[in-house]
Amino acid sequence: AQSVTQLDSQVPVFEEAPVELRCNYSSSVSVYLFWYVQYPNQGLQLLLKYLSGSTLVKGINGFEAEFNKSQTSFHLRKPSVHISDTAEYFCAVSGSNDYKLSFGAGTTVTVRA
Amino acid sequence: DVKVTQSSRYLVKRTGEKVFLECVQDMDHENMFWYRQDPGLGLRLIYFSYDVKMKEKGDIPEGYSVSREKKERFSLILESASTNQTSMYLCATSTGGGTGELFFGEGSRLTVL
Repeated sequence: AQSVTQLDSQVPVFEEAPVELRCNYSSSVSVYLFWYVQYPNQGLQLLLKYLSGSTLVKGINGFEAEFNKSQTSFHLRKPSVHISDTAEYFCAVSGSNDYKLSFGAGTTVTVRA
Repeated sequence: DVKVTQSSRYLVKRTGEKVFLECVQDMDHENMFWYRQDPGLGLRLIYFSYDVKMKEKGDIPEGYSVSREKKERFSLILESASTNQTSMYLCATSTGGGTGELFFGEGSRLTVL
C-alpha cells in the first residue's frame, strides 16, 4: 500500500504571499497523485491531479503542483494567496492498479491580512 | 452536478447505542468508501465496496460494519458506539477501474457521549 507524508502540519501565511505545501509519497512503479482541499465544515474537493504526462499540473483557484519522480514528491504551490484559501489541504496517492487512495495527515493553511 | 449526500451532518449518541450513517450517490459510481477523519491523522479508510453486496475492510474496520444493498446507497454501522468513535465520517465514491479520484459528501460529525 502507498503512504503519504505531508511535511508541514500548519502553514501560516500573509495575504498575497506565496505558499508551498510539501508532500512526499512512498515509491511505486506507477502512481496517481492528488491534492484535495477542505474548507471549514465541508467535505473534500479536488484541487488537482497528476495521472501522467507533464509533471507540472495546474488546478483550480490558481494552484499548481509539480510531480518529481526521483524525489517522490508532489508539492503544491500558489504564487499569491487570498483569505479565502484558508483551509486544510490533503495530499493523496493511489497505485495505478489500485482504486484506493491513501491520504496524508493534512496541512492547515491560515491566511492573514 | 455530481452529488454525494450524507444523511446527517451532526449526530450525538450515547455509548452502546447502534448508529447508522447513510450515504447516497447519484453518479452511478461502482466504488463507495467510508473514511474517518481525525486531527493530525488525516483520512483513514474504514470500509469500501466495489459492487452491490460486496465489501472489503480498509485500514481501521474494527467496531464498524457496512451494508450495500443498492448501488447508490452505502451505510456505515456502529454496532455499539464508543467514545473513541467520536469523529468526522466522510463518504466518497469513484468510478470502477478509474484513477482513484474520489468524490466526497459533506461529512457526518458524530459525537459519542
